[in-house]
Amino acid sequence: KAGVTQTPRYLIKTRGQQVTLSCSPISGHRSVSWYQQTPGQGLQFLFEYFSETQRNKGNFPGRFSGRQFSNSRSEMNVSTLELGDSALYLCASSLDRHQPQHFGDGTRLSIL
Amino acid sequence: AQSVTQLGSHVSVSEGALVLLRCNYSSSVPPYLFWYVQYPNQGLQLLLKYTSAATLVKGINGFEAEFKKSETSFHLTKPSAHMSDAAEYFCAVSDGGGATNKLIFGTGTLLAVQP
Repeated sequence: KAGVTQTPRYLIKTRGQQVTLSCSPISGHRSVSWYQQTPGQGLQFLFEYFSETQRNKGNFPGRFSGRQFSNSRSEMNVSTLELGDSALYLCASSLDRHQPQHFGDGTRLSIL
Repeated sequence: AQSVTQLGSHVSVSEGALVLLRCNYSSSVPPYLFWYVQYPNQGLQLLLKYTSAATLVKGINGFEAEFKKSETSFHLTKPSAHMSDAAEYFCAVSDGGGATNKLIFGTGTLLAVQP
């Protein structure tokens, strides 16, 4: 069974640009969550999608957005990039709430 | 609000020694608790989960954790450390009071295994 796939693995952007990250969940998983990992703030929840609907959102500015498609694949978008957005962005999928979440290897975003 | 506290950001053990990584949680509802491991340049891998079925939970790679409600703890143990166990370990609680899948993570414990 294929795991969670995130693309791309690495991205380098400059301030002010925007970026889109992609996540393909494990087949059959309808819940997709996104997390930001930084050395200073640790692992922080961005948002969760379930059956194409955003079910919960973390404390991030509106520059961070996401969506989920009918095949459960998800994308997250960050607009007007800032230096502080440099982080590892992790996607996780699960069958539903309280079920174990399975993580991808992440997208490492560097802002110059 | 739920929270997780991991005591000890760095733990060092000798190969073959007992591994004990501490996690305390705060939750107003019965929690769902998880331990994850992260190797360099990789995502998080699930080690084990507690979902109220049994207080002693066995996971992968010889790890286990015991849920102690009276101590609000969910410490991770392994009887004998192996060099391959060197990684960062995260305890997490699911926001069980809500209808979502949000995980709240501790700050992580970096485990070093000395030969």
